[in-house]
Amino acid sequence: DAKTTQPPSMDCAEGRAANLPCNHSTISGNEYVYWYRQIHSQGPQYIIHGLKNNETNEMASLIITEDRKSSTLILPHATLRDTAVYYCIARNNNDMRFGAGTRLTVKP
Amino acid sequence: EAGVTQFPSHSVIEKGQTVTLRCDPISGHDNLYWYRRVMGKEIKFLLHFVKESKQDESGMPNNRFLAERTGGTYSTLKVQPAELEDSGVYFCASSQGWGSQETQYFGPGTRLLVL
Repeated sequence: DAKTTQPPSMDCAEGRAANLPCNHSTISGNEYVYWYRQIHSQGPQYIIHGLKNNETNEMASLIITEDRKSSTLILPHATLRDTAVYYCIARNNNDMRFGAGTRLTVKP
Repeated sequence: EAGVTQFPSHSVIEKGQTVTLRCDPISGHDNLYWYRRVMGKEIKFLLHFVKESKQDESGMPNNRFLAERTGGTYSTLKVQPAELEDSGVYFCASSQGWGSQETQYFGPGTRLLVL
């Protein structure tokens, strides 16, 4: 799996969009980009994943650059409950390789 | 549809004792994974079952850890004898298929404290 780099922490105002960046400059062609989050001490929660195209679901949008070297997870209207650690994973194996993630704090 | 469940949610044992953790995957998911986070470290892969067979156990730390999945349904992870450094959170995940395009869904974890 390619190494990913994320900022250690970010703040976001409640109701605003949260844009979480991830660099994966060594990603290979068959590696998917996955995003998970961990709220407090709960288990990692799946958010979204993609290979080349941008993806959107009920939770978030995933924007992957054309060269696939970076991506952005967008939470369109962040709420206090979105405060969590967000993990970006570039995956080509069965196991998930978690890094340190980005601690997102949504503030009122 | 029920998610991945794990039992117990917490366990406190003394060094040298044995602990068995249980994971029930999402119904119909043939693939089951164990991960753990020890104090201050990142979540790390332990092993992967496809039905009852161990597909990949490269992350198992040592032979004090034994994972089983008899019948290809639930799985157990036994630590015997437990050491202080085994303290952490043990997560289980499951997926329907396997490969990088198959989403893994995680359980709530078992928090293990070895005293």
